Amino acid sequence: LAKTTQPISMDSYEGQEVNITCSHNNIATNDYITWYQQFPSQGPRFIIQGYKTKVTNEVASLFIPADRKSSTLSLPRVSLSDTAVYYCLVDPLSGGYNKLIFGAGTRLAVHP
Amino acid sequence: NAGVTQTPKFQVLKTGQSMTLQCAQDMNHEYMSWYRQDPGMGLRLIHYSVGAGITDQGEVPNGYNVSRSTTEDFPLRLLSAAPSQTSVYFCASSYEVGGTDTQYFGPGTRLTVL
Repeated sequence: LAKTTQPISMDSYEGQEVNITCSHNNIATNDYITWYQQFPSQGPRFIIQGYKTKVTNEVASLFIPADRKSSTLSLPRVSLSDTAVYYCLVDPLSGGYNKLIFGAGTRLAVHP
Repeated sequence: NAGVTQTPKFQVLKTGQSMTLQCAQDMNHEYMSWYRQDPGMGLRLIHYSVGAGITDQGEVPNGYNVSRSTTEDFPLRLLSAAPSQTSVYFCASSYEVGGTDTQYFGPGTRLTVL
């Protein structure tokens, strides 16, 4: 059962690029890596998902090295509205909800 | 599409009372789940369902009951509320579990048990 480790908190300033790294040493062959974002008083929202190398969408990029034991969520040019908690999950291809584990996440604070 | 809806938004209970938290989705998703989130913590899975008539326990099921009579609805029942159940409760749904699918979360129910 893969478990993830992320920094508890990070601080940044508007316009900077933010990189949040997640460690998942026990990731299995069939596992995907998924990131969610949660604003205060709201439910988590899907940001991005990947299996290997690099994935990019309109919100973020996800970098996954060849050994897949870690991943990095990259937020380009953050704004105050990116202040949120970011969760890294290791998401099995199949096998049930019990394997979807939300850790404490990384609390990102963006300052003016 | 309304997505995932939850009612009520806020609820205050006294110890020992029972209540049902409602969750509904209009995306025809087979998979639904309930999580609780305590202050400063991540989400913990309470119960989940892989389809109408099928439910199973998650990480923290004690004190909660669920049923799934339709694809759309997945209510969570607190049998006898305790202060330890003070939390924010999120319902989520997805077309599949895992893989490339994603979960859609409701806005949450903030429950306080006195």
